[in-house]
Amino acid sequence: SQQGEEDPQALSIQEGENATMNCSYKTSINNLQWYRQNSGRGLVHLILIRSNEREKHSGRLRVTLDTSKKSSSLLITASRAADTASYFCATDEGYSGGGADGLTFGKGTHLIIQP
Amino acid sequence: EAGVVQSPRYKIIEKKQPVAFWCNPISGHNTLYWYLQNLGQGPELLIRYENEEAVDDSQLPKDRFSAERLKGVDSTLKIQPAELGDSAVYLCASSPSFGGRDEQFFGPGTRLTVL
Repeated sequence: SQQGEEDPQALSIQEGENATMNCSYKTSINNLQWYRQNSGRGLVHLILIRSNEREKHSGRLRVTLDTSKKSSSLLITASRAADTASYFCATDEGYSGGGADGLTFGKGTHLIIQP
Repeated sequence: EAGVVQSPRYKIIEKKQPVAFWCNPISGHNTLYWYLQNLGQGPELLIRYENEEAVDDSQLPKDRFSAERLKGVDSTLKIQPAELGDSAVYLCASSPSFGGRDEQFFGPGTRLTVL
Protein backbone atom coordinates (compact mmCIF):
# COMPACT_ATOMS: atom_id res chain seq x y z
CA SER A 1 0.00 0.00 0.00
CA GLN A 2 1.16 3.55 -0.62
CA GLN A 3 0.65 6.26 1.94
CA GLY A 4 1.87 9.34 0.12
CA GLU A 5 0.02 11.01 -2.69
CA GLU A 6 1.97 13.42 -4.83
CA ASP A 7 0.28 16.25 -6.65
CA PRO A 8 0.35 16.92 -9.52
CA GLN A 9 0.95 13.55 -11.18
CA ALA A 10 2.73 15.31 -14.04
CA LEU A 11 4.22 18.78 -14.43
CA SER A 12 5.81 20.43 -17.45
CA ILE A 13 7.56 23.81 -17.13
CA GLN A 14 10.12 25.92 -18.97
CA GLU A 15 13.76 25.84 -18.00
CA GLY A 16 14.51 28.50 -15.42
CA GLU A 17 11.05 28.41 -13.86
CA ASN A 18 10.33 27.07 -10.39
CA ALA A 19 8.64 23.70 -9.88
CA THR A 20 6.48 22.87 -6.88
CA MET A 21 5.28 19.40 -5.97
CA ASN A 22 3.06 18.46 -3.06
CA CYS A 23 2.72 15.33 -0.99
CA SER A 24 -0.03 14.31 1.38
CA TYR A 25 0.11 11.38 3.78
CA LYS A 26 -2.22 9.65 6.22
CA THR A 27 -0.52 8.59 9.45
CA SER A 28 1.91 10.11 11.90
CA ILE A 29 5.52 10.03 10.78
CA ASN A 30 9.07 10.21 12.09
CA ASN A 31 10.38 11.83 8.96
CA LEU A 32 9.54 12.49 5.34
CA GLN A 33 12.03 12.11 2.51
CA TRP A 34 12.07 13.16 -1.13
CA TYR A 35 13.70 11.03 -3.82
CA ARG A 36 14.34 11.56 -7.52
CA GLN A 37 14.31 8.81 -10.12
CA ASN A 38 15.44 8.96 -13.69
CA SER A 39 16.48 6.26 -16.08
CA GLY A 40 20.13 7.15 -15.83
CA ARG A 41 20.71 7.03 -12.09
CA GLY A 42 17.86 5.15 -10.41
CA LEU A 43 16.43 6.42 -7.11
CA VAL A 44 18.48 9.12 -5.46
CA HIS A 45 17.85 10.67 -2.06
CA LEU A 46 17.32 14.44 -2.16
CA ILE A 47 16.38 15.64 1.29
CA LEU A 48 15.03 14.43 4.63
CA ILE A 49 12.86 16.50 6.95
CA ARG A 50 12.05 15.31 10.45
CA SER A 51 8.63 15.59 12.06
CA ASN A 52 9.78 18.41 14.36
CA GLU A 53 11.10 20.51 11.46
CA ARG A 54 9.02 22.86 9.31
CA GLU A 55 11.38 23.81 6.52
CA LYS A 56 14.66 22.64 5.08
CA HIS A 57 16.90 23.80 2.24
CA SER A 58 19.48 22.05 0.13
CA GLY A 59 20.93 23.95 -2.81
CA ARG A 60 18.03 24.73 -5.16
CA LEU A 61 15.65 22.56 -3.14
CA ARG A 62 13.28 23.76 -0.45
CA VAL A 63 11.07 21.37 1.48
CA THR A 64 8.30 22.26 3.88
CA LEU A 65 6.41 20.00 6.25
CA ASP A 66 3.05 20.67 7.90
CA THR A 67 2.30 17.80 10.26
CA SER A 68 -1.08 19.26 11.22
CA LYS A 69 -2.19 18.98 7.59
CA LYS A 70 -0.11 15.86 6.94
CA SER A 71 1.44 17.45 3.89
CA SER A 72 4.80 18.43 2.45
CA SER A 73 5.97 20.39 -0.55
CA LEU A 74 9.14 20.29 -2.62
CA LEU A 75 10.21 23.43 -4.45
CA ILE A 76 12.91 23.32 -7.11
CA THR A 77 14.08 26.79 -8.04
CA ALA A 78 15.65 27.83 -11.35
CA SER A 79 14.90 24.47 -12.96
CA ARG A 80 17.30 22.85 -15.42
CA ALA A 81 16.82 20.23 -18.11
CA ALA A 82 18.68 17.76 -15.89
CA ASP A 83 15.90 18.08 -13.29
CA THR A 84 13.60 16.11 -15.60
CA ALA A 85 12.71 13.02 -13.56
CA SER A 86 10.07 11.48 -11.33
CA TYR A 87 9.96 12.79 -7.77
CA PHE A 88 8.69 10.67 -4.88
CA CYS A 89 7.90 11.51 -1.32
CA ALA A 90 8.46 8.72 1.19
CA THR A 91 7.39 8.59 4.80
CA ASP A 92 8.97 6.81 7.72
CA GLU A 93 6.06 5.85 9.93
CA GLY A 94 8.19 4.08 12.50
CA TYR A 95 6.61 1.78 15.02
CA SER A 96 3.66 4.07 15.74
CA GLY A 97 2.35 4.40 12.20
CA GLY A 98 1.18 0.85 11.94
CA GLY A 99 2.67 0.35 8.52
CA ALA A 100 5.63 -1.55 7.21
CA ASP A 101 8.77 -0.51 9.03
CA GLY A 102 10.58 0.96 6.08
CA LEU A 103 9.77 3.83 3.78
CA THR A 104 6.30 4.14 2.27
CA PHE A 105 6.43 5.84 -1.11
CA GLY A 106 3.84 7.78 -3.05
CA LYS A 107 3.17 7.34 -6.75
CA GLY A 108 5.38 10.24 -7.75
CA THR A 109 5.25 13.42 -9.79
CA HIS A 110 6.72 13.24 -13.26
CA LEU A 111 8.51 16.55 -13.94
CA ILE A 112 9.50 17.61 -17.45
CA ILE A 113 11.70 20.66 -17.95
CA GLN A 114 11.30 22.12 -21.43
CA PRO A 115 14.51 23.71 -22.81
CA GLU B 1 32.66 4.62 -2.30
CA ALA B 2 30.91 1.88 -4.25
CA GLY B 3 27.14 2.06 -4.30
CA VAL B 4 24.57 -0.70 -3.92
CA VAL B 5 25.22 -3.38 -6.51
CA GLN B 6 22.46 -5.48 -8.02
CA SER B 7 22.53 -8.26 -10.57
CA PRO B 8 21.32 -9.09 -13.05
CA ARG B 9 20.09 -5.75 -14.41
CA TYR B 10 17.56 -7.41 -16.66
CA LYS B 11 15.93 -10.83 -16.60
CA ILE B 12 13.39 -12.37 -18.96
CA ILE B 13 11.82 -15.69 -18.02
CA GLU B 14 8.75 -17.72 -18.80
CA LYS B 15 6.01 -18.07 -16.22
CA LYS B 16 6.42 -20.87 -13.69
CA GLN B 17 10.21 -20.62 -13.91
CA PRO B 18 12.29 -19.70 -10.86
CA VAL B 19 14.36 -16.51 -10.72
CA ALA B 20 16.82 -15.01 -8.25
CA PHE B 21 18.12 -11.50 -7.72
CA TRP B 22 21.31 -10.59 -5.88
CA CYS B 23 22.19 -7.46 -3.95
CA ASN B 24 25.41 -6.26 -2.32
CA PRO B 25 24.81 -3.24 -0.08
CA ILE B 26 27.20 -0.44 0.70
CA SER B 27 29.96 -1.65 2.99
CA GLY B 28 29.10 -1.16 6.65
CA HIS B 29 25.38 -0.68 6.09
CA ASN B 30 23.48 -2.82 8.58
CA THR B 31 20.01 -2.47 7.11
CA LEU B 32 19.03 -3.88 3.74
CA TYR B 33 15.69 -3.50 1.97
CA TRP B 34 14.04 -5.13 -1.00
CA TYR B 35 11.37 -3.13 -2.82
CA LEU B 36 9.15 -3.88 -5.78
CA GLN B 37 8.30 -1.10 -8.23
CA ASN B 38 5.54 -1.44 -10.81
CA LEU B 39 5.44 0.84 -13.82
CA GLY B 40 4.16 4.30 -12.92
CA GLN B 41 4.16 3.55 -9.19
CA GLY B 42 6.44 4.20 -6.28
CA PRO B 43 8.49 1.42 -4.70
CA GLU B 44 6.72 -0.89 -2.25
CA LEU B 45 8.63 -2.56 0.56
CA LEU B 46 8.89 -6.35 0.42
CA ILE B 47 11.31 -7.11 3.26
CA ARG B 48 13.75 -5.38 5.58
CA TYR B 49 16.85 -6.92 7.16
CA GLU B 50 18.80 -5.65 10.11
CA ASN B 51 22.08 -7.50 9.81
CA GLU B 52 21.03 -11.10 9.02
CA GLU B 53 17.61 -10.88 10.68
CA ALA B 54 14.43 -10.27 8.66
CA VAL B 55 12.68 -7.78 10.94
CA ASP B 56 9.79 -6.95 8.63
CA ASP B 57 8.61 -9.37 5.94
CA SER B 58 4.90 -8.67 6.29
CA GLN B 59 4.62 -7.48 2.67
CA LEU B 60 6.48 -10.47 1.19
CA PRO B 61 4.19 -12.99 -0.59
CA LYS B 62 5.59 -16.00 1.17
CA ASP B 63 3.94 -18.63 -1.00
CA ARG B 64 6.34 -17.88 -3.85
CA PHE B 65 8.86 -15.31 -2.62
CA SER B 66 11.79 -15.96 -0.32
CA ALA B 67 14.82 -13.97 0.72
CA GLU B 68 17.98 -14.50 2.68
CA ARG B 69 20.91 -12.51 4.02
CA LEU B 70 22.99 -15.28 5.54
CA LYS B 71 26.09 -13.42 6.73
CA GLY B 72 24.48 -10.04 7.15
CA VAL B 73 26.07 -8.63 4.01
CA ASP B 74 24.75 -9.52 0.58
CA SER B 75 21.23 -10.77 -0.01
CA THR B 76 19.25 -12.88 -2.47
CA LEU B 77 15.58 -12.55 -3.35
CA LYS B 78 13.96 -15.52 -5.05
CA ILE B 79 10.65 -16.11 -6.80
CA GLN B 80 9.49 -19.65 -7.42
CA PRO B 81 7.43 -20.06 -9.50
CA ALA B 82 7.20 -16.72 -11.26
CA GLU B 83 3.82 -15.42 -12.46
CA LEU B 84 2.97 -12.88 -15.13
CA GLY B 85 2.08 -10.32 -12.47
CA ASP B 86 5.59 -10.46 -11.04
CA SER B 87 6.92 -8.41 -13.94
CA ALA B 88 8.35 -5.30 -12.27
CA VAL B 89 11.59 -3.68 -11.17
CA TYR B 90 13.07 -5.14 -7.99
CA LEU B 91 15.08 -2.60 -6.04
CA CYS B 92 17.57 -3.16 -3.26
CA ALA B 93 18.48 -0.41 -0.84
CA SER B 94 20.71 -0.12 2.19
CA SER B 95 21.03 2.23 5.11
CA PRO B 96 23.60 2.67 7.86
CA SER B 97 20.87 3.17 10.45
CA PHE B 98 17.97 1.01 11.49
CA GLY B 99 14.30 1.27 10.62
CA GLY B 100 14.32 3.95 7.95
CA ARG B 101 15.51 6.72 10.25
CA ASP B 102 17.87 8.14 7.64
CA GLU B 103 18.33 8.16 3.92
CA GLN B 104 18.39 4.95 1.96
CA PHE B 105 20.78 4.26 -0.87
CA PHE B 106 19.24 2.43 -3.80
CA GLY B 107 20.75 0.12 -6.35
CA PRO B 108 19.90 0.35 -10.07
CA GLY B 109 17.34 -2.43 -9.80
CA THR B 110 16.61 -5.64 -11.69
CA ARG B 111 13.94 -5.37 -14.35
CA LEU B 112 12.04 -8.68 -14.49
CA THR B 113 9.85 -9.62 -17.42
CA VAL B 114 7.73 -12.75 -17.10
CA LEU B 115 6.36 -14.09 -20.39
